[in-house]
Amino acid sequence: NAGVTQTPKFQVLKTGQSMTLQCAQDMNHNSMYWYRQDPGMGLRLIYYSASEGTTDKGEVPNGYNVSRLNKREFSLRLESAAPSQTSVYFCASSERGETSSYNSPLHFGNGTRLTVT
Amino acid sequence: GIQVEQSPPDLILQEGANSTLRCNFSDSVNNLQWFHQNPWGQLINLFYIPSGTKQNGRLSATTVATERYSLLYISSSQTTDSGVYFCAVDKKGNYQLIWGAGTKLIIKP
Repeated sequence: NAGVTQTPKFQVLKTGQSMTLQCAQDMNHNSMYWYRQDPGMGLRLIYYSASEGTTDKGEVPNGYNVSRLNKREFSLRLESAAPSQTSVYFCASSERGETSSYNSPLHFGNGTRLTVT
Repeated sequence: GIQVEQSPPDLILQEGANSTLRCNFSDSVNNLQWFHQNPWGQLINLFYIPSGTKQNGRLSATTVATERYSLLYISSSQTTDSGVYFCAVDKKGNYQLIWGAGTKLIIKP
């Protein structure tokens, strides 16, 4: 099993450009997440999706949009990239279902290193 | 909100040594997870441990929820254990995990 797969691994953008980060999981997980990791700031949740067709804002959603395309795929879009969005982006998934009150173990992809100049 | 504190912030050990990493949290939580981020940036889930003790090879973890702390034990350290160890907690029903700042572990050969 591949687990959680993110593409691309690296990306350089100029200010104002747009791009979509792709994420797919093959574990039949219900929930999917997008995090960013900045030096000294730890992991911060951007958006999450509790089930296919639903998305919710996390701690730092401004400047991002997401799409839960189907149960497997959850994409993150930067419409107009800014230098402040330079970061490492991680996608994650868990078994947790929408009706569950309990989180399940979180499994991460290998990350996308994004630089905005 | 809940505060999560990890200690020590940095730890340098020789290969073969044992270590204990601590995670304290300021309020009752629904769950706690330990993660290892290796030097290449990969994040691996080590333990999902709301309470009690679990073991996986040379690693074990204990969470004492009533006293609001968790410990991660690494025995007979290897250079591949190097990286940053994070704990993360959640309140019941909340999808957003609260992360500690991590313990950076360096194992010297």
